[in-house]
Amino acid sequence: DAGVIQSPRHEVTEMGQEVTLRCKPISGHDYLFWYRQTMMRGLELLIYFNNNVPIDDSGMPEDRFSAKMPNASFSTLKIQPSEPRDSAVYFCASSQWAGWSYEQYFGPGTRLTVT
Amino acid sequence: GNSVTQMEGPVTLSEEAFLTINCTYTATGYPSLFWYVQYPGEGLQLLLKATKADDKGSNKGFEATYRKETTSFHLEKGSVQVSDSAVYFCALRTGNQFYFGTGTSLTVIP
Repeated sequence: DAGVIQSPRHEVTEMGQEVTLRCKPISGHDYLFWYRQTMMRGLELLIYFNNNVPIDDSGMPEDRFSAKMPNASFSTLKIQPSEPRDSAVYFCASSQWAGWSYEQYFGPGTRLTVT
Repeated sequence: GNSVTQMEGPVTLSEEAFLTINCTYTATGYPSLFWYVQYPGEGLQLLLKATKADDKGSNKGFEATYRKETTSFHLEKGSVQVSDSAVYFCALRTGNQFYFGTGTSLTVIP
């Protein structure tokens, strides 16, 4: 399996621009998670989906952030408008419910820099 | 609520030294516990896990034992290598929610 795929790997944009991050989960996984990692705040859960339905978006920082999962093999995280404080590494992770053995698989991340 | 507390870093060790990274947790119910490792420029990878009290997870020479009485899951390795340099995250899972610690950076010098 190719693992969780994220694109782009690096994104540099100017303040005020729209940014779209993409994720392809592992085939057959029914959960998808978006995280943000910064030095100051560590790893933060932004939102997660189960069977393409958003379950908990309480970690989304504000209305500028939105996430969608139109089908089982694709999800996007959009920031509009972007701000310098959004600079971080954004990770997508997927998993398949397996009872006690349930674990997450992470993608390589997208490093976002907003200038 | 649910949370994970792990020791502050960074940690610097000489090759072949003994490693301990402390992790304690607060959780409702019966969580599963994990250690993830993040190498530079990469995503987090599962290192080991334990799903019930007194279980020992192990992988690549690393070990951690699920201690319910002390709510701990300390990571240990008897002899570290330069290739172990990475950031280590302790995590717990309850239901389908994961909670991660802040990470501990380890640097192993030859």
